[in-house]
Formats: sequence, structure tokens, C-alpha cells
Amino acid sequence: AQRVTQPEKLLSVFKGAPVELKCNYSYSGSPELFWYVQYSRQRLQLLLRHISRESIKGFTADLNKGETSFHLKKPFAQEEDSAMYYCALGSTGGGNKLTFGTGTQLKVEL
Amino acid sequence: KAGVTQTPRYLIKTRGQQVTLSCSPISGHRSVSWYQQTPGQGLQFLFEYFSETQRNKGNFPGRFSGRQFSNSRSEMNVSTLELGDSALYLCASSLETFPDTQYFGPGTRLTVL
Repeated sequence: AQRVTQPEKLLSVFKGAPVELKCNYSYSGSPELFWYVQYSRQRLQLLLRHISRESIKGFTADLNKGETSFHLKKPFAQEEDSAMYYCALGSTGGGNKLTFGTGTQLKVEL
Repeated sequence: KAGVTQTPRYLIKTRGQQVTLSCSPISGHRSVSWYQQTPGQGLQFLFEYFSETQRNKGNFPGRFSGRQFSNSRSEMNVSTLELGDSALYLCASSLETFPDTQYFGPGTRLTVL
């Protein structure tokens, strides 16, 4: 069965500090991994996906198949990064099903 | 392009009633997925429709059903409502039916009394 684990419910950092949001997955096949973000009073939106290897808003995420991890990182946190972040695993067995982690609330303090 | 729209945005029902929620995907998108979001269980996949066919189904009872029309608009129905069905129901659309970027709607907040 597919499973996504985000161990931190809340992560608080100071502005300018590095950020790392942890995500571990359980899946026997070749994973399709995503990070979605939800800013206050906005809808859930894609931040990045591993297959595109893009850096969005300064965030990057590297897929580590050995550790089954897809941690989200940013070298210098900004106040506008405060949001709820969800790691999600796509089903490669056909279809467009996403299995979400429980989310991490990132709070960037001044 | 206009984003994913969902109607109604808020709904209050009583136990035992049934409810129908509607989702209009982004123009050109053929895949529509539904998710239930609750504080306790987080985001859980309900089902996905593509070209009017159900492609995937999550672990929800048969009281939860859906359909998709030829214009890709989708509806989901919950019959015999229970208190535990109170949740935010999110619809997401994407171009294709393999793991692809999903564009989410604002959700329908359902409260069951």
C-alpha cells in the first residue's frame, strides 16, 4: 500500500534560516512525488514535482530512493513561505490518484 | 483560463439526507478527482473520473458515488449522510489520467447535523 509520512505537524523557523520539510514514502514501484502548498485562504496548489527538477520560489526537493525520502528544502526562509505544505505520492498503477501526507505547517517568524 | 469551480461552497444537511456536489474542471481537462479533507484524517482520495469512466476509487463506502458528464463536469453524491461525513470536499482536475499536476478547486464545506 502507498503511504506518505510527514513527521512534523508544525515547523517554526526564523526569517533567513534554512528550511527542511521532511517527507518519507512507502511504495514498491517507481514513485511520482509532488509537493503541494496551501497559503492562508487560498486553494491547494502545486509547488513542485520531482520529475520536472525545477526550483520553485527557491524550494527544491530531491528524490532519494534509498531512503525513500523527498524532503523539501529552501536555503533562506521568507515570511511569505508561511503556509501548509503537503507531500503527495502519485499512483503509477494507472490513474491520477494522489496519496497525501498529513501536512506540515511552516511558520516563518521575523 | 478559469480555474476549477465547485458548487455550492457551503452546505448544511441533517443525518440521513443525501447531497450532490458539483465540480467544473479547467477547460480541456478530462480527469477529475475528488478528495475529502478532515482534521483527523487529512486529505483522502475518493475517486477519479476520466472520459466519463471511473478510473480509481478510494476506500470509502458505497454511499459515496460520482459521475462525469461528456463536458468533463463531475458530480459526487453522498447518500444517507452521517455526522462523520462533515468535511471539506475538494475537486481537482488535470489534463490526463496518469500522475499529473492536479489543479484544485476551493472546495465545498459540508456540515452534517
